[in-house]
Amino acid sequence: AQTVTQSQPEMSVQEAETVTLSCTYDTSENNYYLFWYKQPPSRQMILVIRQEAYKQQNATENRFSVNFQKAAKSFSLKISDSQLGDTAMYFCAFMKPPNAGNNRKLIWGLGTSLAVNP
Amino acid sequence: DVKVTQSSRYLVKRTGEKVFLECVQDMDHENMFWYRQDPGLGLRLIYFSYDVKMKEKGDIPEGYSVSREKKERFSLILESASTNQTSMYLCASSRPWIGQPQHFGDGTRLSIL
Repeated sequence: AQTVTQSQPEMSVQEAETVTLSCTYDTSENNYYLFWYKQPPSRQMILVIRQEAYKQQNATENRFSVNFQKAAKSFSLKISDSQLGDTAMYFCAFMKPPNAGNNRKLIWGLGTSLAVNP
Repeated sequence: DVKVTQSSRYLVKRTGEKVFLECVQDMDHENMFWYRQDPGLGLRLIYFSYDVKMKEKGDIPEGYSVSREKKERFSLILESASTNQTSMYLCASSRPWIGQPQHFGDGTRLSIL
């Protein structure tokens, strides 16, 4: 069974600095998708970034980028120039192609709580 | 932008009550999901639906049921609420194609007294 592990329950970073959140996963699949989601305190869960496993190029969205190491099954999120608004719970999630039917379930890590300090 | 609307932000009910949590999305998404979120346990899938009147159990369906009579609406039902169902409930929707991200509502914080 696929699993997703986020080894850092809590992290903190100073405003304007860079921080990296780790995520590892376990799968025997070759084609799959990986996601980072952000959930600010008392606010909606939103997609940060998405990576397709068959693409070697690391995904980037403004200050957010990933380091995707397929062989190592690692998918870390780097936040550059951290801002106070980046304070949130960050979840890593894995999606594999369905074996049958229209199955689009995500397998979630337990999250990393990131605090950006002024 | 995709809009997923959950009917209540906060809800307080009593043990044994039948509780309905409603979720509506405005982007004609085929897939809809109900999760519960608890500290230290992350997101756990309760049920999902990939079409009208179609549903599949997730990882923790016990004590819950769902209804999807219209494409845009997915309801979670607690048949007889219990205190261990006190939690944050998140609804999400997505397109059916592989790799499509899920879009979430604001969540309903449900307390069962």
